[in-house]
Amino acid sequence: SAVISQKPSRDICQRGTSLTIQCQVDSQVTMMFWYRQQPGQSLTLIATANQGSEATYESGFVIDKFPISRPNLTFSTLTVSNMSPEDSSIYLCSVEDLGALHFGNGTRLTVT
Amino acid sequence: GQQLNQSPQSMFIQEGEDVSMNCTSSSIFNTWLWYKQDPGEGPVLLIALYKAGELTSNGRLTAQFGITRKDSFLNISASIPSDVGIYFCAGLSPHAGGTSYGKLTFGQGTILTVHP
Repeated sequence: SAVISQKPSRDICQRGTSLTIQCQVDSQVTMMFWYRQQPGQSLTLIATANQGSEATYESGFVIDKFPISRPNLTFSTLTVSNMSPEDSSIYLCSVEDLGALHFGNGTRLTVT
Repeated sequence: GQQLNQSPQSMFIQEGEDVSMNCTSSSIFNTWLWYKQDPGEGPVLLIALYKAGELTSNGRLTAQFGITRKDSFLNISASIPSDVGIYFCAGLSPHAGGTSYGKLTFGQGTILTVHP
């Protein structure tokens, strides 16, 4: 299956700042997905990123807070903007490959 | 939206014991997926099920896609300490559209602890 690399793997950020998370895939994929996993919780889809078009956001997530870029078929970024402690979560990049969804190792974000 | 009820929420077992966990839904799914997540890692796909009634094994793991398409179970036989982790089920709705695996609905997870 596709190999998905995310960075940074973890970060501690100050309230009010922004963090950009990068996701690199070793093969070309049409859609990339960004998920959030809050502490002790399951996974929630933030948005779907297609190359050449704006990302599609799920209910409860907005572009101003989570801007996404998708410059080519192997790369995407998710920015967590104007962070607050409530944004402390694991952010996961994922792609569909061989009939299933596969995940990167995630970015563990702590906002102080 | 759709919800998946995954149970149990946690399990504490002895090494060598068998484990069973399941997910149920009030609506049907076209695909069921089972994942395992280790601390500090992303979820790793264990088994994918695409057809009602399908029974699939992956080593000591066995999963089944329920006949009603509203449930699935995962069994782990002869558990070992490295089975420790969080197990998630996920279902893909027939209404998700196309290959929208991003529209997966995830269960709340089963935390498995294995005592040596």
